[in-house]
Amino acid sequence: KNEVEQSPQNLTAQEGEFITINCSYSVGISALHWLQQHPGGGIVSLFMLSSGKKKHGRLIATINIQEKHSSLHITASHPRDSAVYICAVRGSQGNLIFGKGTKLSVKP
Amino acid sequence: NAGVMQNPRHLVRRRGQEARLRCSPMKGHSHVYWYRQLPEEGLKFMVYLQKENIIDESGMPKERFSAEFPKEGPSILRIQQVVRGDSAAYFCATWGEAQETQYFGPGTRLLVL
Repeated sequence: KNEVEQSPQNLTAQEGEFITINCSYSVGISALHWLQQHPGGGIVSLFMLSSGKKKHGRLIATINIQEKHSSLHITASHPRDSAVYICAVRGSQGNLIFGKGTKLSVKP
Repeated sequence: NAGVMQNPRHLVRRRGQEARLRCSPMKGHSHVYWYRQLPEEGLKFMVYLQKENIIDESGMPKERFSAEFPKEGPSILRIQQVVRGDSAAYFCATWGEAQETQYFGPGTRLLVL
């Protein structure tokens, strides 16, 4: 079993829809990260969370440490949000341990 | 990517050849992580290096793969006698100052024919 599980694996939405991507992890962590991988392959960090909730523009990330679960929400989705969204936890040496990613496609 | 550089961006090799992938982290940073993304797979940790030291290579295949980060110059991930299964995207990354964000290079896409 992977240490980090994401769902769904693939997600198709219509422009304007509210989107939720879920992440569960099985190890104790100090922080959880959400990243975005663009269709061209580049990877950027969106959030680091250790508790509660963070918001950046139309993106909201939440974490429940007790339940070992995090969610990434996108409000008013847009075709430019189409990407792979990746959840990751930090390993003991500072390396990231990744989920398999959620491929999001937002249709106009 | 805040200045993490990788080259080449694309590399084509025939089976049995050697592949050398280079990564220059942000200026002033003396550590680097290497990750591999196989086709249709998630990213996997390979190795963590600081200048002149391998700190953790638990994710590296036991044979044909090696990594270094010399005192001067970029970090090198070396794959000897490449096989088709080595075809993947290889990323390097470093932590930012506050250890909150890991910055990734653009990746090297290796294709083994």
